[in-house]
Amino acid sequence: DAGVIQSTRHEVTEMGQEVTLRCKPISGHDYLFWYRQTMMRGLELLIYFNNNVPIDDSGMPEDRFSAKMPNASFSTLKIQPSEPRDSAVYFCASSLGRGELFFGEGSRLTVL
Amino acid sequence: SQQGEEDPQALSIQEGENATMNCSYKTSINNLQWYRQNSGRGLVHLILIRSNEREKHSGRLRVTLDTSKKSSSLLITASRAADTASYFCATEERDSGYALNFGKGTSLLVTP
Repeated sequence: DAGVIQSTRHEVTEMGQEVTLRCKPISGHDYLFWYRQTMMRGLELLIYFNNNVPIDDSGMPEDRFSAKMPNASFSTLKIQPSEPRDSAVYFCASSLGRGELFFGEGSRLTVL
Repeated sequence: SQQGEEDPQALSIQEGENATMNCSYKTSINNLQWYRQNSGRGLVHLILIRSNEREKHSGRLRVTLDTSKKSSSLLITASRAADTASYFCATEERDSGYALNFGKGTSLLVTP
């Protein structure tokens, strides 16, 4: 079975550019999470969805960040405009009910 | 927001030895989970222990939970070089929706 798929493994962009990260959760899972990982702050929960509805976006750092889940098999995390401090590894994870999370391999973002 | 805090930050042992990592947290939880992350990869779920459980085993892994002390430990017995990774605890806080809060992890190095 395919796991959580994050199509972008590495992205390098310049400050001010728009960045869109994409995620395909495991089929049948009803929860989807976006996390950000940095050395300084560790793993931070940005937002999570249940049945495609955003439940808690309190971890989204600021208005430059937005996330959507238009259907059960696709989610995006957008940063516009990007800044160097957004450089991090962004993880998507999904779960069936409340329990074990399945993580994607992560998208490493570098903003110059 | 981060809740779990792992100790030690880094641990170096030889193959065959046991590795013990600890996690402390601040608020009441529904469950606590341990994850493993190999360098450059996504997190992989190891074990989940519920708040009404005190100990759980899975293969060479043993997890304990002391809710009175708000702490958990992960023991890896007879470690192997392939166990080299970072290990994270994650807590699902009671009454705060379903969101896992991760610690910053323990980096384990197992040398042959």
